[in-house]
Amino acid sequence: EVRLLGSGGGLVQPGESLRLSCAASGFTFNNYAMSWVRQAPGKGLEWVSAIIGGGGNTNYADSVKGRFTISRDNSKGTLYLQINSLRAEDTAVYYCAKHSGTYYMYSVLDVWGQGTTVTVSS
Amino acid sequence: DIQMTQSPSSLSASVGDRVTITCRASQGIGNYLAWHQQKPGKVPKLLIYAASTLQSGVPSRFSGSGSGTDFILTISSLQPEDVATYYCQKYNSAPLAFGGGTKVEIK
Repeated sequence: EVRLLGSGGGLVQPGESLRLSCAASGFTFNNYAMSWVRQAPGKGLEWVSAIIGGGGNTNYADSVKGRFTISRDNSKGTLYLQINSLRAEDTAVYYCAKHSGTYYMYSVLDVWGQGTTVTVSS
Repeated sequence: DIQMTQSPSSLSASVGDRVTITCRASQGIGNYLAWHQQKPGKVPKLLIYAASTLQSGVPSRFSGSGSGTDFILTISSLQPEDVATYYCQKYNSAPLAFGGGTKVEIK
């Protein structure tokens, strides 16, 4: 069974940093692109970032470019999202999701993790 | 960047009704369109990909159609367990944008 287990969320102050993790199991992790998608309280889904299976190519939403860094450790089957200079508007549930192929373009998000909550407040 | 627009933003229908949700892309995206279902308090789930292909395990009352810029999600006979918010999402290029969502309720 494919499983994605997100962790690392919490309550942080504006300007602080956080690293989210997503532990994958049940599939050959390095064969698939991965994405992070977030959902602010009471709002819709917002794609944040994606990384190809091999890890060499990444992409970001304009709203997070320069502050967020996606990465992966294929030897550990784990996806990461480093979030710097946190703002109140970054408050959201952050979901990791698996793509159906090696590249994030042309491959759909076919499995979602259970999400980890980030709250930015002073 | 390509924008995804869904309509309506919410709807209320009776059990057994046929329900349609539309999604429009600001530029052509071929058939690289997915529909995701998010039940209240739950994780999103893939329903349909490639505009019209049902994900394994999804009931056949769900169907998708369209290509280019205009897409439709249809629930042929609404069931109580279909109460959810439905999102379209393009995946032909980055950014992988979502529509704003359509909240479906039972009348």
